[in-house]
Amino acid sequence: RKEVEQDPGPFNVPEGATVAFNCTYSNSASQSFFWYRQDCRKEPKLLMSVYSSGNEDGRFTAQLNRASQYISLLIRDSKLSDSATYLCVVFASGGSYIPTFGRGTSLIVHP
Amino acid sequence: DAGVTQSPTHLIKTRGQQVTLRCSPKSGHDTVSWYQQALGQGPQFIFQYYEEEERQRGNFPDRFSGHQFPNYSSELNVNALLLGDSALYLCASSLARAGEETQYFGPGTRLLVL
Repeated sequence: RKEVEQDPGPFNVPEGATVAFNCTYSNSASQSFFWYRQDCRKEPKLLMSVYSSGNEDGRFTAQLNRASQYISLLIRDSKLSDSATYLCVVFASGGSYIPTFGRGTSLIVHP
Repeated sequence: DAGVTQSPTHLIKTRGQQVTLRCSPKSGHDTVSWYQQALGQGPQFIFQYYEEEERQRGNFPDRFSGHQFPNYSSELNVNALLLGDSALYLCASSLARAGEETQYFGPGTRLLVL
């Protein structure tokens, strides 16, 4: 089993739709979690951190489920500009600063 | 506030050659990490430098080496290039402090090995 797994998609949704991605991780001791966005042929950019209590930033909501070892990203009212690849990132525990990236989930928002 | 910069943007090499990629971290950051991203995959961690020393290393052979300078900038060297080394090489900077793991990426260097 891979350390961090994501459904590569693509997820094809119309503008205004709500879409959710999941990311599972295998190391139960993982401590820190993030979602990054990567546009085609560009570098990844931080979208949001994922906190234990869940957090929201505008149309984006991130959740962490430690019992089932997954994090999720919910995008409401999708815009054309949301089309990108969404990467989840997991940091192991114990002071290790090695992040493990998932392969990313591709989102295509169409008119 | 300058972000992370990398050079060159593109590079073409042949098998067996050596390459050096360069990275300047975001202003105020002291830690530099290097990643390899193959097409359709997520970034794979190569290694991380802090205080001019390699602090962590991913699952990459010794052909991949690096260096960090006193001004926190960094180089990635790859020897004896293989066709499979063709990828986007990303540099990310951060602060070496608990709770500051957020990685800020540079635009990357696209390496093609022929």
